[in-house]
Amino acid sequence: DAGVIQSPRHEVTEMGQEVTLRCKPISGHDYLFWYRQTMMRGLELLIYFNNNVPIDDSGMPEDRFSAKMPNASFSTLKIQPSEPRDSAVYFCASSFWQNNSPLHFGNGTRLTVT
Amino acid sequence: DQQVKQNSPSLSVQEGRISILNCDYTNSMFDYFLWYKKYPAEGPTFLISISSIKDKNEDGRFTVFLNKSAKHLSLHIVPSQPGDSAVYFCAAREYDSGGSNYKLTFGKGTLLTVNP
Repeated sequence: DAGVIQSPRHEVTEMGQEVTLRCKPISGHDYLFWYRQTMMRGLELLIYFNNNVPIDDSGMPEDRFSAKMPNASFSTLKIQPSEPRDSAVYFCASSFWQNNSPLHFGNGTRLTVT
Repeated sequence: DQQVKQNSPSLSVQEGRISILNCDYTNSMFDYFLWYKKYPAEGPTFLISISSIKDKNEDGRFTVFLNKSAKHLSLHIVPSQPGDSAVYFCAAREYDSGGSNYKLTFGKGTLLTVNP
């Protein structure tokens, strides 16, 4: 089991550019979550999917953010256009359907927008 | 408005002693609580959890206590080891009668340093 795989590990981009973060969940997991970690706000949930369908995107900060899950083994989080305040560590996590199954996190993507 | 609060940003203890990490919450609808540990440049990893119908759960050196009336939980690590040095996140899930709510609300974390 390779765990949740995120790419890239680090991303540095200029303000106004499009950024795409990628995630491969653990095989067999049917829930996928995108979290963002900042010093000010800690770990906050952006969006989560069940069986590739977005269930709750109320944490997505604004229209510049979008997430997709075209199949059970891949998800993307896109920011367009990016802004310096988007700088953070973005985590993807996955879990089984069982009610108390813990989340398994990837190692995150550190995004820096200059 | 933070629903899960970890008021101590950091904690330092000696190897072999007890580490106690605290967490307070405000949402009375939370029914399941978890602790995650995070090393630098890695994602959080699940450590231990407790349901709201219990007041204690133990797993080896780790014990979580829940005081529902005070809306408080704590993580005890005994004995503490240098390898336990990490950021510890408290997380809570809100009860959903439909069983479909998997959203976790996290605290901001406490950096534990265990000194040899």
